[in-house]
Amino acid sequence: NAGVTQTPKFQVLKTGQSMTLQCAQDMNHEYMSWYRQDPGMGLRLIHYSVGAGITDQGEVPNGYNVSRSTTEDFPLRLLSAAPSQTSVYFCASRRGYLNEQYFGPGTRLTVT
Amino acid sequence: AQTVTQSQPEMSVQEAETVTLSCTYDTSESDYYLFWYKQPPSRQMILVIRQEAYKQQNATENRFSVNFQKAAKSFSLKISDSQLGDAAMYFCASNSGGGADGLTFGKGTHLIIQP
Repeated sequence: NAGVTQTPKFQVLKTGQSMTLQCAQDMNHEYMSWYRQDPGMGLRLIHYSVGAGITDQGEVPNGYNVSRSTTEDFPLRLLSAAPSQTSVYFCASRRGYLNEQYFGPGTRLTVT
Repeated sequence: AQTVTQSQPEMSVQEAETVTLSCTYDTSESDYYLFWYKQPPSRQMILVIRQEAYKQQNATENRFSVNFQKAAKSFSLKISDSQLGDAAMYFCASNSGGGADGLTFGKGTHLIIQP
């Protein structure tokens, strides 16, 4: 199993550009989440999904969009990038809501 | 809403010694899980240990153990026989049993191992 994969590993955007961070898992997990990690802030939840076709907002959803058309994939879209979105982004999945979360390797995004 | 607090931004310990990282949390749920994650410089998030709130027995995983005080809402991590490979950021996290959303994380403790 590859576990949770994320692409790209690094990305530089200009203010106003849009892009999609890809996340996929091959463990047939129903629950998937996106977090951002900023220095001194720990990880904060952006959006999450409890199954295909079902998504909801986390703590810091503004400026981000998600969809879940399949169990395996959970892409995160930045609609119009801003410097405040410079961060490391982690995707995670788990079998059930009380189970351990498995994290992807992260994407370092810089918005200039 | 849940909160998780790690009051030690940085800790330092001599190799082979024991160190304890502190964590307190606040939740209104009766059913929840607590976790410690390790993040080395590679930035990969690695699960160290987990504790189910309904279990009174403290979890242990080799050199890692927790002191879970439910009434005090305290969940500290003890690392025995510290090794150079233990140097990393350590995050305490809580996963509410009543909700479907993700983990709530503390801000982390940077652990330095002195050779």
